[in-house]
Amino acid sequence: AQKVTQAQTEISVVEKEDVTLDCVYETRDTTYYLFWYKQPPSGELVFLIRRNSFDEQNEISGRYSWNFQKSTSSFNFTITASQVVDSAVYFCALKGYGQNFVFGPGTRLSVLP
Amino acid sequence: SAVISQKPSRDICQRGTSLTIQCQVDSQVTMMFWYRQQPGQSLTLIATANQGSEATYESGFVIDKFPISRPNLTFSTLTVSNMSPEDSSIYLCSVGGPGTGGYEQYFGPGTRLTVT
Repeated sequence: AQKVTQAQTEISVVEKEDVTLDCVYETRDTTYYLFWYKQPPSGELVFLIRRNSFDEQNEISGRYSWNFQKSTSSFNFTITASQVVDSAVYFCALKGYGQNFVFGPGTRLSVLP
Repeated sequence: SAVISQKPSRDICQRGTSLTIQCQVDSQVTMMFWYRQQPGQSLTLIATANQGSEATYESGFVIDKFPISRPNLTFSTLTVSNMSPEDSSIYLCSVGGPGTGGYEQYFGPGTRLTVT
């Protein structure tokens, strides 16, 4: 069975602080894909990143960075110098090979001015 | 990535009625999906919309309650039948697979449904 856990239900930070959103996953598949999505107050889900199970290289995109560690089954997301526009619900998701997406419960991030 | 539109964007319906939600994609895609997001919750997959055949429903969802059509590779509809207040949710269409660039899914803007 596949499962995604996001232990942080809500996080509040002050603008310009760094924040890390945790994601832990469970799967028996050797080939799988991990994702992060952002859902701002408008409601639309925005795709942020995909990571393949065979590629543990970390990735940086502007203020966003992702740390993928197979040894701990984690795929954490860090926002550097947070901004008010980063306020949203962030979902981590897992897709096993040939299987459907499984979404985590989400972490609500509030960035205060 | 594919551009996805949904109609209506929101609606308020009375219990016992039905609502059909449309999903239109700007390019042909292999996979189309329908999700439900109940207030304050995560996304739950309702079904995979299969072109030319019956949709594949997830556990807990049945065709009589959520009939789905997919007449071609760019369009699908989801009907929420005999609605009750528990059906109040955001319903999201998504696309994935070949034609979208990879294994990720892209989502439409969602339909906010309130049942009174």
